[in-house]
Amino acid sequence: AQSVAQPEDQVNVAEGNPLTVKCTYSVSGNPYLFWYVQYPNRGLQFLLKYITGDNLVKGSYGFEAEFNKSQTSFHLKKPSALVSDSALYFCAVRDHLNYGGATNKLIFGTGTLLAVQP
Amino acid sequence: GAVVSQHPSRVICKSGTSVKIECRSLDFQATTMFWYRQFPKQSLMLMATSNEGSKATYEQGVEKDKFLINHASLTLSTLTVTSAHPEDSSFYICSAHPLQDRGANYGYTFGSGTRLTVV
Repeated sequence: AQSVAQPEDQVNVAEGNPLTVKCTYSVSGNPYLFWYVQYPNRGLQFLLKYITGDNLVKGSYGFEAEFNKSQTSFHLKKPSALVSDSALYFCAVRDHLNYGGATNKLIFGTGTLLAVQP
Repeated sequence: GAVVSQHPSRVICKSGTSVKIECRSLDFQATTMFWYRQFPKQSLMLMATSNEGSKATYEQGVEKDKFLINHASLTLSTLTVTSAHPEDSSFYICSAHPLQDRGANYGYTFGSGTRLTVV
């Protein structure tokens, strides 16, 4: 069964410092991996994805993530955090063996609240 | 880029009444839309997969008679919470992706969510 784990409920970081939000996954085939951000009372905004190719993926707002197959991880990173980055971050996975069918569901992690202090 | 519009953003209703939430893909067609429920400080729980022109596929434990889903066209899916009760109060979010793209480029696009409060 597919699953995603975000081991940290909350990450605190000072503005200007690098940030990392952790994510590990478990799928039966090759994964499609996603990161989304959610601001209070809003839907999810797409940040970046890994489908295939380079392990380092660059996304919106200066975020990037590194796909590590041996560690089954897809950690979200940013070199210099901003106060405006404070939000709830979700990692998600989809098994691409089912790609193209109506059963393509995204499986979400439990979310990590990022708090950036001024 | 792909845009999904969800309405209403907030709704307060009396216990026992029904509430309809709309999810529209504004600039693309979607044969499949997804409905999620999110409790405070928790992750998204997939409720059902809405398929255009056919019955929705519900996740285990989700009452299909309670949460009616209709996907009448390639751009519109609706979720109706029937005979709502306070325990149905939650944040409901829909998502979709372009038919042609199948999620490869855009992932899934999400609506802005609906905060339902049943009093």
